[in-house]
Amino acid sequence: EAQVTQNPRYLITVTGKKLTVTCSQNMNHEYMSWYRQDPGLGLRQIYYSMNVEVTDKGDVPEGYKVSRKEKRNFPLILESPSPNQTSLYFCASSPRTAMNTEAFFGQGTRLTVV
Amino acid sequence: KQEVTQIPAALSVPEGENLVLNCSFTDSAIYNLQWFRQDPGKGLTSLLLIQSSQREQTSGRLNASLDKSSGRSTLYIAASQPGDSATYLCAADNYGQNFVFGPGTRLSVLP
Repeated sequence: EAQVTQNPRYLITVTGKKLTVTCSQNMNHEYMSWYRQDPGLGLRQIYYSMNVEVTDKGDVPEGYKVSRKEKRNFPLILESPSPNQTSLYFCASSPRTAMNTEAFFGQGTRLTVV
Repeated sequence: KQEVTQIPAALSVPEGENLVLNCSFTDSAIYNLQWFRQDPGKGLTSLLLIQSSQREQTSGRLNASLDKSSGRSTLYIAASQPGDSATYLCAADNYGQNFVFGPGTRLSVLP
């Protein structure tokens, strides 16, 4: 089944403790991205990657890191989480070819930083 | 910078009604426009994708139209059902940049 898988689905952590949220897609998509969703602010892009080893900042990259060492995986790293990073996070992938640009989303990771 | 708005913010209708959700975007140089459904606390499910060269797409009771020149897209839901209750998001894709999402329309279909 074609899907984008995020782990964990739920996470409660303490301020300053490094964490990684994993994202994996099995559709051989070149494009992957991370979003956060907050009440009243909607979905905002954190980082995106057009291909392996190619990443770029979205609208709200501060406090986050990403890496794209292989096509299927795009982990989101919070080196020193803070309470303002409490949010619902989504990973997405897309082929982004001339024939197919549909975006597919993971089920989300609800992160709480205390 | 692309900005996407959606009207109305919330909508409550009785079962069986036909309804229209509106999406507006400021930069007409989009690659595509995609409509999503999101249930509370859940992920996004893709409903319809309209490529920039297309005018509309249909899937079952859903029909989405795109007018790039006016910066508008509409999602038409025919014969609404309680199971259609969710938040509906549109996203404009400026290729090479990101998907810019609207704030969503929260739909409640009352039995």
